[in-house]
Amino acid sequence: ETGVTQSPTHLIKTRGQQVTLRCSSQSGHNTVSWYQQALGQGPQFIFQYYREEENGRGNFPPRFSGLQFPNYSSELNVNALELDDSALYLCASSPGPLGTDTQYFGPGTRLTVL
Amino acid sequence: AQSVTQLGSHVSVSEGALVLLRCNYSSSVPPYLFWYVQYPNQGLQLLLKYTSAATLVKGINGFEAEFKKSETSFHLTKPSAHMSDAAEYFCAVSDKDTGNQFYFGTGTSLTVIP
Repeated sequence: ETGVTQSPTHLIKTRGQQVTLRCSSQSGHNTVSWYQQALGQGPQFIFQYYREEENGRGNFPPRFSGLQFPNYSSELNVNALELDDSALYLCASSPGPLGTDTQYFGPGTRLTVL
Repeated sequence: AQSVTQLGSHVSVSEGALVLLRCNYSSSVPPYLFWYVQYPNQGLQLLLKYTSAATLVKGINGFEAEFKKSETSFHLTKPSAHMSDAAEYFCAVSDKDTGNQFYFGTGTSLTVIP
């Protein structure tokens, strides 16, 4: 059984550019959540996808968008990058969208915006 | 609204000593509580979770936590610290209303002194 994988591992972009981050969920999981972890901080919830539909969103602007595919893998897209978007982006998959469902995290994508 | 407070951003213990990492939550409904560990340049790994069953929860690597409703706490303990326990620890909360949207604390960095 493979765990949650994310690509790429590192990415460097400049202000104003757009970026797409990818996540493959764990086998049997239909829910994917994305988190932003700034340096020295805890992860902040961006949004969640459950069976290809957005199922909750944190306090992030619309330039943060996402998709979930029929195989339950997911993408996070960020438009018009800002310096403050520099962070570790974590993807987590879970067997369902309930509060009791454990989230299993990938290793993250480190995004640097110059 | 959900929130988690982790008292002590840095904790140092001697090898073999008791580990105590503090977590207090605020939730308007019965919470579900999780402890995760993060090693450098890695994603988060689940240590243990509380989902309204037994209040004393045992996790991996000898860690345990006790849910105390009267104190709104979910402190993490380990009787004897090992060098390999040095890492960042995060407490997270969810509930039946917020579903699988986890709210994380700011983390506690544990140093183990040989």
